[in-house]
Amino acid sequence: DAGVIQSPRHEVTEMGQEVTLRCKPISGHNSLFWYRQTMMRGLELLIYFNNNVPIDDSGMPEDRFSAKMPNASFSTLKIQPSEPRDSAVYFCASTQGGDGEQFFGPGTRLTVL
Amino acid sequence: GESVGLHLPTLSVQEGDNSIINCAYSNSASDYFIWYKQESGKGPQFIIDIRSNMDKRQGQRVTVLLNKTVKHLSLQIAATQPGDSAVYFCAERMAGTALIFGKGTTLSVSS
Repeated sequence: DAGVIQSPRHEVTEMGQEVTLRCKPISGHNSLFWYRQTMMRGLELLIYFNNNVPIDDSGMPEDRFSAKMPNASFSTLKIQPSEPRDSAVYFCASTQGGDGEQFFGPGTRLTVL
Repeated sequence: GESVGLHLPTLSVQEGDNSIINCAYSNSASDYFIWYKQESGKGPQFIIDIRSNMDKRQGQRVTVLLNKTVKHLSLQIAATQPGDSAVYFCAERMAGTALIFGKGTTLSVSS
């Protein structure tokens, strides 16, 4: 099992640019979570999906952030336009059934200049 | 604010000692708790979990204790090794909701 796959691993972009982060959950898992991690705020849940349907997006900072899960094996987190304060490590995690252990991907380190 | 917090941001121990990492939670309705380990440059990795109907659970070299009376969670690591050096997060969850993570405790193990 390859685990949760995220791409890219690192992204450096300029303020105002669109950024798209990608995630492939573990096969068979039906819940997917997007987190943001910073030194100041720790690990914050942005949004999670259950069976490809967004269940709770209350953690999404603002309208510049959007997430989609078009099928069970793929999700994207998009930031448009990006701002320097969006710089963080973004993690995707998946789990079977929404409960229990969440398996995290390696993260995408985003730097917005 | 954070509903899950940690008593100490850093913990330094000698190799071979036992480590205890503490966590306080504020939501008495939380029914599931989990500890994660995060090494530098990696995503959090599951260590051990416990449900609210238990007060102790043991794994390999790790034990989680849950005290619902004072809403306290702890992770004990026996015979701490340099490879245990990492940031440790506790997280809580109420039924049907997502995990809420604490800020993390950095464990530093010296040889």
